[in-house]
Amino acid sequence: GAVVSQHPSWVICKSGTSVKIECRSLDFQATTMFWYRQFPKQSLMLMATSNEGSKATYEQGVEKDKFLINHASLTLSTLTVTSAHPEDSSFYICSARLSGRYSNQPQHFGDGTRLSIL
Amino acid sequence: TQLLEQSPQFLSIQEGENLTVYCNSSSVFSSLQWYRQEPGEGPVLLVTVVTGGEVKKLKRLTFQFGDARKDSSLHITAAQPGDTGLYLCAVYSGGSNYKLTFGKGTLLTVNP
Repeated sequence: GAVVSQHPSWVICKSGTSVKIECRSLDFQATTMFWYRQFPKQSLMLMATSNEGSKATYEQGVEKDKFLINHASLTLSTLTVTSAHPEDSSFYICSARLSGRYSNQPQHFGDGTRLSIL
Repeated sequence: TQLLEQSPQFLSIQEGENLTVYCNSSSVFSSLQWYRQEPGEGPVLLVTVVTGGEVKKLKRLTFQFGDARKDSSLHITAAQPGDTGLYLCAVYSGGSNYKLTFGKGTLLTVNP
């Protein structure tokens, strides 16, 4: 089946550092990738939709200058948390949707990145 | 306003018990998905229901889509510790990006 890989799976860094998270579709091309944020014992909240070759679409309340998204190829999207602070600590999950004519292609999820800001 | 209301939010039961999780909305959907997520991992798709009244079975899990396609339920028979996890219902919302919106989830703990 379709595989989505996230890297790193876990990162700890100091406050003020910028952290980049990668999301790769390993065996398929993904025109669209999605970035979610999840707090402990809560559901996934969509942060932004990343389209290959164009600007990401951010959900209401998500700071685009804080969470930089780049989708430079059909197999890679990156999320950079700039000047991270402890309140940015969370579990970040990406998903990738197969390229295709119809937008209801299934999404495949990565295993997430746990970000801890000290 | 939450698009999908899931209940209960938390559920702790003993091994062997049965349970039902509900996912409700005031909106009508063309399809609805159920996911299970284990700690430290991404959600895994369990099933997609598309027809009103549809019932799908996955071993000890039974999924039902309401006749009006506004609600769904997940029933687990003889729960096992391996069933422990966060159960999420989700639907696709409209627009060109066709986003997946999740309910708040039901955190299930099955004690041995």
